[in-house]
Amino acid sequence: ETGVTQTPRHLVMGMTNKKSLKCEQHLGHNAMYWYKQSAKKPLELMFVYNFKEQTENNSVPSRFSPECPNSSHLFLHLHTLQPEDSALYLCASSQDSPNTEAFFGQGTRLTVV
Amino acid sequence: AQTVTQSQPEMSVQEAETVTLSCTYDTSENNYYLFWYKQPPSRQMILVIRQEAYKQQNATENRFSVNFQKAAKSFSLKISDSQLGDTAMYFCAFMKLFNAGNMLTFGGGTRLMVKP
Repeated sequence: ETGVTQTPRHLVMGMTNKKSLKCEQHLGHNAMYWYKQSAKKPLELMFVYNFKEQTENNSVPSRFSPECPNSSHLFLHLHTLQPEDSALYLCASSQDSPNTEAFFGQGTRLTVV
Repeated sequence: AQTVTQSQPEMSVQEAETVTLSCTYDTSENNYYLFWYKQPPSRQMILVIRQEAYKQQNATENRFSVNFQKAAKSFSLKISDSQLGDTAMYFCAFMKLFNAGNMLTFGGGTRLMVKP
């Protein structure tokens, strides 16, 4: 365990469903991230939150909606997803200073049917 | 924008032998950091080793070492005395200095199989 916990571990949802992914860290970090890992593409950064403020939105479609209520929690709200959104969604956290390690959760395996 | 390329999708090595994974990157930045992450079947991304671009000395971490060639923009990972537990996906990653969070750019990964 790295101190970053993601729930659920697996999620199957229909294209008309609304669901949320949760990430929690107890490492005292002030930056949190969402990454998408697809089968045929490198890990892609989706969002960055620093001190609860979103500092990066990497051209992510609006059907993905992040929320960071505090420095320890990060959510990814999903609605009207497409089958190509099926992937492993990884959450990470770090201090916002250079040369600091990013700690990753075990990811949520999302399947959109 | 930065790009990271790992040209070896899959590699295998016999237990106790040495293997080298390749990584090249492209950037216009002068100060940055490079990382190798390991992702075993459990899906947990684990940091293996890091290198600061301003340091000429290659980083080492027990059985893991890197060959950092800044001019060539190359950052290979050498695993000595390979163990069965080293079987995993290995990702090379680039991080530029950024004041509001550390954004990593990953390569496509190399799947390493250590054979008994």
